[in-house]
Amino acid sequence: EVQLVESGGGLVQPGGSLRLSCAASGFIFSNSAINWVRQAPGKGLEWVSAISGSGSTTDYADSVKGRFTISRDNSKETLYLQMSSLRVEDTAVYSCLVRVPSGFAYWGQGTLVTVSS
Amino acid sequence: DIQMTQSPPSLSASVGDRVTITCRASQAISNWLGWYQQKPGKAPKSLIYSASSLQSGAPSRFSGSKSGTEFTLTINSLQPEDIATYYCQQYKSYPYTFGQGTKVEIK
Repeated sequence: EVQLVESGGGLVQPGGSLRLSCAASGFIFSNSAINWVRQAPGKGLEWVSAISGSGSTTDYADSVKGRFTISRDNSKETLYLQMSSLRVEDTAVYSCLVRVPSGFAYWGQGTLVTVSS
Repeated sequence: DIQMTQSPPSLSASVGDRVTITCRASQAISNWLGWYQQKPGKAPKSLIYSASSLQSGAPSRFSGSKSGTEFTLTINSLQPEDIATYYCQQYKSYPYTFGQGTKVEIK
């Protein structure tokens, strides 16, 4: 069974930093591209970032480029999102999702990041 | 960036009705489109991938189709448990943009 479990969310002040983790199991982690998506309270879904299975290729939404860094540790089957220079508008539930042949079939439950003074 | 224009923003229909939701891509995306269902407080659930393939475990009353750059999600015979917000997403090229969502309610 595929499982994606996010952690690391919490309350942080504007300008602060936070690192999110996504622990994966149930699939060949090192072969799979994994994405981060976020959803602000009461709003729609926004794609944030993606990383290839090897970690050699990354992509970011313009809204987070230069502030967020995606990475992965294939030996630990864990994905990370290092977030810095956080803004109030980064407040959202952050979820990881894995791309498989049948699209984005698996999503984590998400972790809430609140940026507020 | 590829823009996904989803309509309508909301709809109200009766149990048993046929419901259609549309997404239009700003450029060609081949079949790289998924549809997701999200219930309040829950993670999105994949319904359709590759524009028209039913995800394993998704009810067969859900179907997807494509005409050019217009994609349609159809719910045949709406059920009370289908009350949710539905999103499309293109995954042809980064950024993998989502539609704005369609909230489905029971009349």
